[in-house]
Amino acid sequence: AQSVTQPDIHITVSEGASLELRCNYSYGATPYLFWYVQSPGQGLQLLLKYFSGDTLVQGIKGFEAEFKRSQSSFNLRKPSVHWSDAAEYFCAVFNQAGTALIFGKGTTLSVSS
Amino acid sequence: NAGVMQNPRHLVRRRGQEARLRCSPMKGHSHVYWYRQLPEEGLKFMVYLQKENIIDESGMPKERFSAEFPKEGPSILRIQQVVRGDSAAYFCASSLSDSHTGELFFGEGSRLTVL
Repeated sequence: AQSVTQPDIHITVSEGASLELRCNYSYGATPYLFWYVQSPGQGLQLLLKYFSGDTLVQGIKGFEAEFKRSQSSFNLRKPSVHWSDAAEYFCAVFNQAGTALIFGKGTTLSVSS
Repeated sequence: NAGVMQNPRHLVRRRGQEARLRCSPMKGHSHVYWYRQLPEEGLKFMVYLQKENIIDESGMPKERFSAEFPKEGPSILRIQQVVRGDSAAYFCASSLSDSHTGELFFGEGSRLTVL
């Protein structure tokens, strides 16, 4: 069965520093991968997605992610974090039937000044 | 507002009562997904529906939970005889396409508290 692992439950980064959030997936074929962000009390917003092609994907709000098949990873990065980036981040993969997004447990990002 | 609309945003029920959560998808979207979120658990898939059809209900508890998406009107997630363990945030998402390359758009969730 498909699964997503986000190894870091909570990360704190200084404002202006770079960020990398880890995501590992388990999937038999070519995965369809997503990163979503959730602010407190809100729904989820799509940051970026990967289906095929260029393994470095650009998203909104200055985020990017790199698909590495050999490592089964899809890590999210941002070169310079802003205080408004503090939120919970979820990595997700579509199941093989294409009927459901499977989410990781999320990583909470705190930004210190 | 063209987004996914969920109501009520907050619902309080006593044990044994029924909870009904409603979801109006984005305009033109005919695919609806329901997820449950518990603290520090991420989002757990419950059910995927298209108009008048349940496509995948592999994440739905076997008892007390049901979902529908009628030809007219919102999708409904119904929880009968609620228990304290049902307390959670329930999110609805909709998509335009049934292809798994399609983006899911999420509502702001309905937060159920069972006393």
